[in-house]
Amino acid sequence: AQTVTQSQPEMSVQEAETVTLSCTYDTSESDYYLFWYKQPPSRQMILVIRQEAYKQQNATENRFSVNFQKAAKSFSLKISDSQLGDAAMYFCAYKRFGNEKLTFGTGTRLTIIP
Amino acid sequence: DVKVTQSSRYLVKRTGEKVFLECVQDMDHENMFWYRQDPGLGLRLIYFSYDVKMKEKGDIPEGYSVSREKKERFSLILESASTNQTSMYLCASRAGTSGDIGSYEQYFGPGTRLTVT
Repeated sequence: AQTVTQSQPEMSVQEAETVTLSCTYDTSESDYYLFWYKQPPSRQMILVIRQEAYKQQNATENRFSVNFQKAAKSFSLKISDSQLGDAAMYFCAYKRFGNEKLTFGTGTRLTIIP
Repeated sequence: DVKVTQSSRYLVKRTGEKVFLECVQDMDHENMFWYRQDPGLGLRLIYFSYDVKMKEKGDIPEGYSVSREKKERFSLILESASTNQTSMYLCASRAGTSGDIGSYEQYFGPGTRLTVT
């Protein structure tokens, strides 16, 4: 069974600084997708960024980028120029090709220090 | 914008009651999902549906059932609520039918925080 591990239950970063959230996963599949979702306090969960495993290039969305290391089964999220609105729970998720199911990690709570 | 709504933000029920949680999406999505979210456990899939009247079990279906009579609506049913079902319940929907459209985004509702006493 696939598992997703987020080893940092909580992280904090100074406003305008850069922070990296870690995620590792376990799978025997070669085709899959990885996602980072953000859940702000009392607000709906939204997709931050996605990565297709067949793509070697790391995905980037504005201030958010990933470091995808397929061999190491690692998928970290880097947030540059952190803003107060980035404060949230961040979930890493895995989806196998051809399967509807998303497997989530346990989440990392990110605090932004003004 | 995709909108996924859930019938209640907060719900308090007694042990043994039958509980209905409803989810409605307005984007004609084929796929709908129910998750529960617990601290330290992340989100776990309860059930999902890929079409009207179709359903599949997720990781933790015990104690739950679902109903999808219309495409836009997906209901989660707790036949006899128990205290260990106290949790945050999240509904999600996603476009796409057969074949892999795995990069399609899941859109989440605001969640229902259910307390069973």
